[in-house]
Amino acid sequence: SQKIEQNSEALNIQEGKTATLTCNYTNYSPAYLQWYRQDPGRGPVFLLLIRENEKEKRKERLKVTFDTTLKQSLFHITASQPADSATYLCALGSGGSYIPTFGRGTSLIVHP
Amino acid sequence: NAGVTQTPKFRILKIGQSMTLQCTQDMNHNYMYWYRQDPGMGLKLIYYSVGAGITDKGEVPNGYNVSRSTTEDFPLRLELAAPSQTSVYFCASSSTRDGGTYEQYFGPGTRLTVT
Repeated sequence: SQKIEQNSEALNIQEGKTATLTCNYTNYSPAYLQWYRQDPGRGPVFLLLIRENEKEKRKERLKVTFDTTLKQSLFHITASQPADSATYLCALGSGGSYIPTFGRGTSLIVHP
Repeated sequence: NAGVTQTPKFRILKIGQSMTLQCTQDMNHNYMYWYRQDPGMGLKLIYYSVGAGITDKGEVPNGYNVSRSTTEDFPLRLELAAPSQTSVYFCASSSTRDGGTYEQYFGPGTRLTVT
C-alpha cells in the first residue's frame, strides 16, 4: 500500500538559516504534492502545490522541489524566523483527485 | 467569509454516548471532508462528500456517520462513543473550481475525549 514518510523527529534550527523538510513516498505515483502548515490547536493551512511535471516551485521564502525518480519532495524555508515554527504536512494526490493522502508532518522549531 | 466553522470546540463524552459534530462552510465549496488527527499522527480521512446528497467512506469510517443535505453543512455523527474515538476532528472543504490547486480549507477542529 502507499506510504508517505515525514521525519517524526522535530527539526531544530537557528534563526536566519534555511530549514529543509523531507517528504518521501512509496508505492505511489502522485500527480501532485501539497504542503500545509499547522500551528498548535489549529487546522492546517495550505501553502504550496507542485505537480509531477514541475521540478521546483517558489513562493516568497518558500521553495518546494519534487523528484518523481527519488519519490521525494523537499520543502525549504529560507531566512527562517521563529514565527515559522510549526508542523508542516505534505499531502499527495492522484490526477484529478480531490482526496489527497496526508503525511504525519514534521515539527520545525526555529530558535532566536 | 467565515470559512469553515466547527462546533463544539471541546467535548467530553462517556462511553456509549452519542453526539454530532457540526461543520459549516460559506465558500460554496462542493467537496467537504472529515478527518481525525491523533497525537503525532497525520490526518486520517473519515468521510467525504462531493456535493449535497453524496457521501463516501474514507480510510477510517467505522463508528461514524455523515449526511450532506445542503452545500454548506456536513455534520459528523458518533454513535456509541468509544475511547478509541478520542481525537481531534477537523472538517475541511475544497472546490473543483479552484483552478487546480486542490487546496483544502480547514476548520479550527473539535477536541473530543471519550472516557
